[in-house]
Amino acid sequence: KAGVTQTPRYLIKTRGQQVTLSCSPISGHRSVSWYQQTPGQGLQFLFEYFSETQRNKGNFPGRFSGRQFSNSRSEMNVSTLELGDSALYLCASSLAGGYNQPQHFGDGTRLSIL
Amino acid sequence: AQSVSQHNHHVILSEAASLELGCNYSYGGTVNLFWYVQYPGQHLQLLLKYFSGDPLVKGIKGFEAEFIKSKFSFNLRKPSVQWSDTAEYFCAVIRGDKIIFGKGTRLHILP
Repeated sequence: KAGVTQTPRYLIKTRGQQVTLSCSPISGHRSVSWYQQTPGQGLQFLFEYFSETQRNKGNFPGRFSGRQFSNSRSEMNVSTLELGDSALYLCASSLAGGYNQPQHFGDGTRLSIL
Repeated sequence: AQSVSQHNHHVILSEAASLELGCNYSYGGTVNLFWYVQYPGQHLQLLLKYFSGDPLVKGIKGFEAEFIKSKFSFNLRKPSVQWSDTAEYFCAVIRGDKIIFGKGTRLHILP
C-alpha cells in the first residue's frame, strides 16, 4: 500500500509569489491534514479536510488556504509568500476525520523563500 | 495560552542508558495524548497514544508513556536505549478538535 505522497519535495520561491503544494493520501483515507514545521515553532496544525470540506483550521493567516478533491487528494496554497513561510510542510492522512485513528505522514515539501 | 511543552530540546545518551522525555500540557478536562517519532530521513510515525483506561501505555520498539493527570504530564520512557533510537520525538495533545504539538526533542544515542 503506497504511503502519503507529497509533491514537490523541494521548492524555492521568492517573496510575493504564490505556491501550491500537493498531497495524495493513502488509498481509502478520506481525511487530510496539513502542518507547518519550523525549527522555531515546531509542528503547527494548518487545517484538515474531510470529504472535500474543511473541518478544522489552525491559527494561520488567510494567505494559507487549501482544498480537497473528490478523490481525497488535497492541495495547499500560500499566496504572497513571506520569508517566514520557509518551512517543511507536512501532510497527513487518516481513514476518517478526528484523531481516534492514527495519522500517516508524508515526507513533506521543503519550501524555501528567498 | 494553551500549550504543549517538551522540556528537553536535545538529549544525548549512551547506548543502554535509560530514557525519559518530558511532556507537559496546559489544558484541563479531557485530552488525548500522542507521541510521534521521526527517524533520520523518514517521515513522522506514531509511537504510542493514550485515549483512556490504563494510564501506562505501551508503544512500539519498547517505548512506554505514563499519563499523570494531576501533573498534566505524559512522559515518554524506555529502560534501555539503542543507537537506532536516534530520532526526533514529538508529544501531541488533542483537545476537542485541535491538535497541538510540542516543539520536539532531538535524541542522539552514542554507540
